[in-house]
Amino acid sequence: AQSVTQLGSHVSVSEGALVLLRCNYSSSVPPYLFWYVQYPNQGLQLLLKYTSAATLVKGINGFEAEFKKSETSFHLTKPSAHMSDAAEYFCAVSFQTGANNLFFGTGTRLTVIP
Amino acid sequence: NAGVTQTPKFQVLKTGQSMTLQCAQDMNHEYMSWYRQDPGMGLRLIHYSVGAGITDQGEVPNGYNVSRSTTEDFPLRLLSAAPSQTSVYFCASTLDRNTEAFFGQGTRLTVV
Repeated sequence: AQSVTQLGSHVSVSEGALVLLRCNYSSSVPPYLFWYVQYPNQGLQLLLKYTSAATLVKGINGFEAEFKKSETSFHLTKPSAHMSDAAEYFCAVSFQTGANNLFFGTGTRLTVIP
Repeated sequence: NAGVTQTPKFQVLKTGQSMTLQCAQDMNHEYMSWYRQDPGMGLRLIHYSVGAGITDQGEVPNGYNVSRSTTEDFPLRLLSAAPSQTSVYFCASTLDRNTEAFFGQGTRLTVV
């Protein structure tokens, strides 16, 4: 069965510190992987995506993620947190076969401490 | 640049009432989906469509109905609202599976 696991429903970091949000997936077919961000009372916005090209993917707002097939992971990082990064982050997976559906993790709420 | 438009933004229903959540996209995307977002559960797929006239069930379809008569529109119908359907609903559209999904701003539904 396909699934996405985000470790840590809440993560707090100090402003300027490294941001690391974890995502692991399980899949029997090659995945496409996405990170989305949701600001309060808004829809979801794409941060970055992996679609079987480069394993290190750079996104908007200084975020990047690395696809590690051996670890079935797609962790999101940012070297230096900014106050504006406070939001909820969702990892999502779709698959290279079948219908074009996204399966989401349960989300990680990032708090940035000044 | 409208993208994906959802209406209404907020709605309060009484148990047993029915209503339709509207979703329209102007990007000529074939794929459209409805999700519900509940605290601690992420987004769960309700129904989806791979093109006009074609719909299928997602993870949590019970109590909801959809149709897709045009490429642009994908309404979600609540047949008889229940308090368990209190949630935030998101509509999304995608060109294909390796491109991003575009989301509407959401509809916050409360069933009392």
